[in-house]
Amino acid sequence: LAKTTQPISMDSYEGQEVNITCSHNNIATNDYITWYQQFPSQGPRFIIQGYKTKVTNEVASLFIPADRKSSTLSLPRVSLSDTAVYYCLVGDLRNTDKLIFGTGTRLQVFP
Amino acid sequence: SAVISQKPSRDICQRGTSLTIQCQVDSQVTMMFWYRQQPGQSLTLIATANQGSEATYESGFVIDKFPISRPNLTFSTLTVSNMSPEDSSIYLCSVEGAAGRETQYFGPGTRLLVL
Repeated sequence: LAKTTQPISMDSYEGQEVNITCSHNNIATNDYITWYQQFPSQGPRFIIQGYKTKVTNEVASLFIPADRKSSTLSLPRVSLSDTAVYYCLVGDLRNTDKLIFGTGTRLQVFP
Repeated sequence: SAVISQKPSRDICQRGTSLTIQCQVDSQVTMMFWYRQQPGQSLTLIATANQGSEATYESGFVIDKFPISRPNLTFSTLTVSNMSPEDSSIYLCSVEGAAGRETQYFGPGTRLLVL
């Protein structure tokens, strides 16, 4: 699976938009980009997945440029409850059993 | 989505003992996974457990230390054997999502402290 690089931590205030960028320079043609969210004392939770351009769901948006060497998870108007660790994963998840977690980004939202 | 429960939720154990962690899913799944998450760290895959076959272990993890059972399509156990303080971690099980392997659903984890 392609290696990913994310900021270790980010701070934000309630109501702001938060953008977390993930670098994956070695992404392969069949690789998808998946983001997970982990709250303290809980297992990770799937947020969003994409291959190219933009994907949006009720939780977040995922922006992927044409070269796919990076991706940006966008959380609109964060609240205190969005404080969590966010993991970016890249891989051909249709053909492998494994999820390889990187270091993740620890987001702290302040009032 | 799948609902996953783990038992125990936490435990404190003595060095040299063993602990078996249970993972129960509310639906039948082919593949179950076991992860370890050390304090403040990311998740590391221990092994993949398919029903009816031997578990497949990742590099650095061996069956003698982490024996896994997968007796049916809704249940699995992970045993942490001959524990040492270095085994203090959160152990999580997960299952493949209904949509295939693109997503996984995780249990709440078992927090283990070895003294």
